[in-house]
Amino acid sequence: SAVISQKPSRDICQRGTSLTIQCQVDSQVTMMFWYRQQPGQSLTLIATANQGSEATYESGFVIDKFPISRPNLTFSTLTVSNMSPEDSSIYLCSTMGAALAGYTFGSGTRLTVV
Amino acid sequence: AQTVTQSQPEMSVQEAETVTLSCTYDTSESDYYLFWYKQPPSRQMILVIRQEAYKQQNATENRFSVNFQKAAKSFSLKISDSQLGDAAMYFCAYPPSNFGNEKLTFGTGTRLTIIP
Repeated sequence: SAVISQKPSRDICQRGTSLTIQCQVDSQVTMMFWYRQQPGQSLTLIATANQGSEATYESGFVIDKFPISRPNLTFSTLTVSNMSPEDSSIYLCSTMGAALAGYTFGSGTRLTVV
Repeated sequence: AQTVTQSQPEMSVQEAETVTLSCTYDTSESDYYLFWYKQPPSRQMILVIRQEAYKQQNATENRFSVNFQKAAKSFSLKISDSQLGDAAMYFCAYPPSNFGNEKLTFGTGTRLTIIP
């Protein structure tokens, strides 16, 4: 299955600033998924990123707050914009392995907004 | 809408004993996959086991096995000979179709504690 390198692993940011999270996959994949995991909670999908088209956002998430880029089939970024303490979460990217071998995840980015 | 329910927020088990984590789901699909993921404190999501709905045989992976009851839409995870390294959050997950490129829907998770 695909291997994803995600960075940064953690960051502490000032409110009102933005952070861009990067995910690099070791093989070409069609879809990439971005999740948020609030403290002690499950994973919630933010958006699905398909190469060459705009990302599809889930209810409650908007492009202005979480812009996503997908410039090629091995790379994607998620930006958390104009951050507030409520954005403090773990953010994970994911993609699906071949033949539904299972969805692979990046190692996560722990974001703390102060 | 597809939903995944884990009714046990926390579970604990003595080391070397067996524990079962519950998961139920809702779907109108006939063919699909189900997954159990483990998330240790490192926050890495690790695939534990998957089940293909068209297979009647329950999946097994070493000490991990599932009890898949398709009619009841139940997908429980059994961990045998529990080890300290099994301590983690466990999430049941379901993609809405078996065609891939679909988002996963996660349950709320079960925090498993291993008692030495």
